[in-house]
Amino acid sequence: IVLTQSPGTLSLSPGEGATLSCRAGQNVATKDLAWYQHKPGQAPRLLIYATSIRATGIPDRFSGSGSGTDFTLTISRLEPEDFAVYYCHQYGGAVFFGGGTKVEI
Amino acid sequence: EVQLVESGGGLVQPGGSLRLSCAASGFTFSTYWMHWVRQAPGKGLEWVSRLNHFGSSISYADSVRGRVTISRDNAKNTLYLEMNSLRVEDTAVYYCARPLVNTYNDENPLAFWGQGTLVTVSS
Repeated sequence: IVLTQSPGTLSLSPGEGATLSCRAGQNVATKDLAWYQHKPGQAPRLLIYATSIRATGIPDRFSGSGSGTDFTLTISRLEPEDFAVYYCHQYGGAVFFGGGTKVEI
Repeated sequence: EVQLVESGGGLVQPGGSLRLSCAASGFTFSTYWMHWVRQAPGKGLEWVSRLNHFGSSISYADSVRGRVTISRDNAKNTLYLEMNSLRVEDTAVYYCARPLVNTYNDENPLAFWGQGTLVTVSS
């Protein structure tokens, strides 16, 4: 399953909203799609799993949605610590990551 | 507290070998699938391999199949990745990761990650 993330880079300001897209080459079950945040020098951090469930400790400005082949991560109001690279991840059966979207100031 | 600590990275020549380790603590290691994921410089995350609780079910990414071997020692709470015939394109930070919950079939997001160990393949 190929996961295509868009855009490659989002240039935004703190306080603005961000919409990140993940498109799969074939249907992905909603229970099998996650999103991660990754900052340089740090371990990736699980944000969302099963398309829309926030992981423990993740603020509610992060939300996930989608079904079939189209999935979205939305950050309602960017905080300074949200500028990072975000990856979608398909984990049902085979395991694949998307290519990432960089959210930059 | 779940902790995963990778080690064993370093500089190796093309064609060489390396064994990575991941020491786990803070959970019952033998009840979880475990994964290796890597990130090459300037690139995204790439899933490498995984194995089940007893090492009886294993899968690899096409990019490494035949050149790497994943294994585990549940008595030592340690995950391994044996890497052979290394190529320049294997240069990456290698992370071990644990799924969110312990399930039979591993259809799980990766909730816990180590800090990674850097493998550099260069002459």
